[in-house]
Amino acid sequence: QVQLQESGPRLVKPSETLSLTCELSGVSITYYYWSWFRQPPGKGLEWIAYFYYTGSTNYNPSLKSRVTISADPASYQFSLNLTSVTAADTAVYYCARGLGYAPDVWFDSWGQGTLVTVSS
Amino acid sequence: QSVLTQPPSVSETPGQRVTISCSGSSSSIGNNTVNWYQQLPGTAPRLLIHSTDQRPSGVPDRFSGSKSGTSAFLAISGLRSEDEADYYCSSWAGSLTGHVIFGGGTKLTVL
Repeated sequence: QVQLQESGPRLVKPSETLSLTCELSGVSITYYYWSWFRQPPGKGLEWIAYFYYTGSTNYNPSLKSRVTISADPASYQFSLNLTSVTAADTAVYYCARGLGYAPDVWFDSWGQGTLVTVSS
Repeated sequence: QSVLTQPPSVSETPGQRVTISCSGSSSSIGNNTVNWYQQLPGTAPRLLIHSTDQRPSGVPDRFSGSKSGTSAFLAISGLRSEDEADYYCSSWAGSLTGHVIFGGGTKLTVL
């Protein structure tokens, strides 16, 4: 059974870097897309980025200058770094597994999400 | 502002059929597949439909997806109270060098 679990600080100060990790169980990095999403309180879903097991990455153009996604196949986890955060980055952050092949990619397994608040 | 446009809300009575629309453009829905996600309150999204009209294992056949031109549709028949949730469409903006996009979501109320 595929399981994903987000972890990281729940509170980040403005202008600092938000760092999250998604730990995998029941599946390896190989052959899938690994992605981050977020959802501000009371608002809709936003895709942030994905990492493909071959090493390629893809970023939301609106966040690209501040985001880095990476994966460590040996440790069964992948990570998100979002720099220079502001209150607008306050959201529930989800990690998910993607199937298919770009541009036909869909996300079938999701973590439970973690609320990250940006505040001083 | 979302790149894909969904109605903010729809409502229908139990047992009936409801359709949720998702409007895009020729560079998104017009030339790419569409996925649909269901999000119950306080939970993570759940994949309902992928590749425009494919149901993953475990999703009831009451849920179906379709596409016409630059719009996609999610139909739910035999509505149940547990279908009350937010529904999001998702597609791809651009060609191979594009990116994932979402609609703003539709709140389904089962009256």
